[in-house]
Amino acid sequence: GNSVTQMEGPVTLSEEAFLTINCTYTATGYPSLFWYVQYPGEGLQLLLKATKADDKGSNKGFEATYRKETTSFHLEKGSVQVSDSAVYFCALFSGGYNKLIFGAGTRLAVHP
Amino acid sequence: NAGVTQTPKFQVLKTGQSMTLQCAQDMNHNSMYWYRQDPGMGLRLIYYSASEGTTDKGEVPNGYNVSRLNKREFSLRLESAAPSQTSVYFCASSSEGEKLFFGSGTQLSVL
Repeated sequence: GNSVTQMEGPVTLSEEAFLTINCTYTATGYPSLFWYVQYPGEGLQLLLKATKADDKGSNKGFEATYRKETTSFHLEKGSVQVSDSAVYFCALFSGGYNKLIFGAGTRLAVHP
Repeated sequence: NAGVTQTPKFQVLKTGQSMTLQCAQDMNHNSMYWYRQDPGMGLRLIYYSASEGTTDKGEVPNGYNVSRLNKREFSLRLESAAPSQTSVYFCASSSEGEKLFFGSGTQLSVL
């Protein structure tokens, strides 16, 4: 079945460091891929998405490229801020199941 | 500007007690979802409703029931709470199924 695997956290970085959070997926067909972010005490909110191979989603300085050949959708940011501290979830949407499937989440902590 | 509203925010139950978690959305979305979030396991789908009048099981439906009361409201009921149901519960809604809008969550403890 469809599934999403994320790197385990927590990821701890200093402010202005480069961020990569790995995400790989298993799916039939051509799913849409997403990154959601959960700030402390809040629900999840959509960060970015990509709907087909080689698409790049971007928002708030974060980027992720849909790589069909490696079944990956890694999240990157060139210079993180303390305000980026949150839990990040990779997810896929497969039309056949008509619902989102989430990874386990990766906690990011950014220190000044 | 409410979006998805969940109540209550916190709840403590004793084993065997029942309760209903309420969820309402004001975005005229067709689809609504209930997830639970547990450490190291991410979000797991309990039940979802693709449209008013329909509900379907997700990954972990056992011990739960749902009601899609109307287009706005989707409630989750625990008939006989168990400690394994201690979790954070999120309601979400969407129009086309891909972009979900989440409530702020209900933290439930079952003693």
